Amino acid sequence: GAGVSQSPSNKVTEKGKDVELRCDPISGHTALYWYRQSLGQGLEFLIYFQGNSAPDKSGLPSDRFSAERTGGSVSTLTIQRTQQEDSAVYLCASSFMPNEKLFFGSGTQLSVL
Amino acid sequence: GQNIDQPTEMTATEGAIVQINCTYQTSGFNGLFWYQQHAGEAPTFLSYNVLDGLEEKGRFSSFLSRSKGYSYLLLKELQMKDSASYLCAVVRNYGQNFVFGPGTRLSVLP
Repeated sequence: GAGVSQSPSNKVTEKGKDVELRCDPISGHTALYWYRQSLGQGLEFLIYFQGNSAPDKSGLPSDRFSAERTGGSVSTLTIQRTQQEDSAVYLCASSFMPNEKLFFGSGTQLSVL
Repeated sequence: GQNIDQPTEMTATEGAIVQINCTYQTSGFNGLFWYQQHAGEAPTFLSYNVLDGLEEKGRFSSFLSRSKGYSYLLLKELQMKDSASYLCAVVRNYGQNFVFGPGTRLSVLP
């Protein structure tokens, strides 16, 4: 596609439910990042995929968070047993190669009630 | 480890010039990006510096000094639409390459 696509754009869920957030990077981009951004705050790194290498999961805040990237393209971020503190905007970004500029998706606004 | 610092908030007047500073400490430095983020929107690319010096692009310029671990973004002829957060991001040549600073929220007043 023309840009990084994320879905859904908004997700409201109840505490304790699982959610899946999807990211479609720009075609051919090898690097893919997930970030979390709370209102008025900076970007919090979650996970990084590069080609076929093992992902860098060092930013995942707890074992309730996991992500996968299938076929080097689409990525899914899963949050199990959601908590209210998980409420934030989840941003996905991709680049053609490491160290090149990132293109961001519009994000998923997650609200946990 | 790495550390990136930016002022939290800045205020400037329409038509003026503002300089947003970014200082960093990191190993494996491989470039520095500036991104603009309007409220409720995704960050968008502004500039990239990998060598020392000034990069000019219209009303926006970005400067880098690698020896000092210092960069700034210069915005000239400020417009109301420049009110946004400005994110400094250091690129490393290992691991998860991009490390973002906390961002500077700029308010442009009439």
